[in-house]
Amino acid sequence: GAVVSQHPSRVICKSGTSVKIECRSLDFQATTMFWYRQFPKQSLMLMATSNEGSKATYEQGVEKDKFLINHASLTLSTLTVTSAHPEDSSFYICSAFGDRGRRDSETQYFGPGTRLLVL
Amino acid sequence: TQLLEQSPQFLSIQEGENLTVYCNSSSVFSSLQWYRQEPGEGPVLLVTVVTGGEVKKLKRLTFQFGDARKDSSLHITAAQPGDTGLYLCAGRGNTNAGKSTFGDGTTLTVKP
Repeated sequence: GAVVSQHPSRVICKSGTSVKIECRSLDFQATTMFWYRQFPKQSLMLMATSNEGSKATYEQGVEKDKFLINHASLTLSTLTVTSAHPEDSSFYICSAFGDRGRRDSETQYFGPGTRLLVL
Repeated sequence: TQLLEQSPQFLSIQEGENLTVYCNSSSVFSSLQWYRQEPGEGPVLLVTVVTGGEVKKLKRLTFQFGDARKDSSLHITAAQPGDTGLYLCAGRGNTNAGKSTFGDGTTLTVKP
């Protein structure tokens, strides 16, 4: 079964609104989670590393004020797309490595993704 | 920066044919994963290889990790339409804050 969940799975919003996406590790603790963006038929592009209890680390070219990340607990990270515009429309995926407890620490478990469409 | 070159980018074959996808790098990885992703879904892990020279089999899929842990291959025997999807390799280094480096992906289409 799934070990990482994302909510919502699909969201349609108007330009200028903010959208929050949740990522949860279901049966393990994740001190670090990763947020990716993916365009059709392309690979994953890492946006940022979410760190529990501290600031996220953003990849070069990713606007931290545009994509707000909060890792409030060991099982939850959120990505908020602020003032969304049509060019932000994409497939957003989160992931976490296992924690050497119930899950393999070398394996990266992915959420099912969130399809964002900004009109 | 660790780079992972994946090839081919697109592959369209007939049912029953064999195929191989390659991932190559100049960097050493502590482990390498292969994923398969279908449209609108997140990647699903197929295998993790850790030891140089390791070979793992998953039904008709054979995964190999290079001796130097810099490259890997995925071989599919007698491909079926159900194998259609995006295949991604991802290497994890000992540093780089635990992040994975992803290949560009291989879009495989198996025609019946």
